[in-house]
Amino acid sequence: AQSVAQPEDQVNVAEGNPLTVKCTYSVSGNPYLFWYVQYPNRGLQFLLKYITGDNLVKGSYGFEAEFNKSQTSFHLKKPSALVSDSALYFCAVRDVENTGGFKTIFGAGTRLFVKA
Amino acid sequence: GAGVSQSPSNKVTEKGKDVELRCDPISGHTALYWYRQSLGQGLEFLIYFQGNSAPDKSGLPSDRFSAERTGGSVSTLTIQRTQQEDSAVYLCASSELAGPYNEQFFGPGTRLTVL
Repeated sequence: AQSVAQPEDQVNVAEGNPLTVKCTYSVSGNPYLFWYVQYPNRGLQFLLKYITGDNLVKGSYGFEAEFNKSQTSFHLKKPSALVSDSALYFCAVRDVENTGGFKTIFGAGTRLFVKA
Repeated sequence: GAGVSQSPSNKVTEKGKDVELRCDPISGHTALYWYRQSLGQGLEFLIYFQGNSAPDKSGLPSDRFSAERTGGSVSTLTIQRTQQEDSAVYLCASSELAGPYNEQFFGPGTRLTVL
């Protein structure tokens, strides 16, 4: 079965410190992994994706994510957090095996709080 | 260009009533998706369209839920005989091409409250 886990409901970080939001996945075949961010009262916005190639993927707003096949992880990182990064973050995987990649399976989300 | 739009932004209805939620995808996007986001929970996949067809309807929670897409553009999600557990934010997304590589662009959602 295809699944995504975000083990932390909430992450607290001080502004200027590095941040990590964790994600692990379980898929059959090659994983197609995504990170989205949801700001209050707004829809989800795409941050970055891993399809193939370099394990370190760079995305919007200074975020990056590292694909680790052996650990089946795709953690989201940023070297220096901003207060404006405070939001709800979702990791997602495309279900290629069953739906040809149309169905997206989202994690439960991790709320990031960045303190000034 | 314009993003994905959804209407209404908020809908309050009484239990047992039918509701229609509308999604206007980004022009030219062939794929369209519906999700449900319940309070304190993640996103639940409901259905996707490739063009006007919906190959997989298994994500719809019950037979009270239906969706259609006409002209390869606008989509309507209909919930019949609404129940209180249907209260959630319903999100629509579209992507340029079909397939697993393409990021989805989300609308702002419709917040449905069933009294």
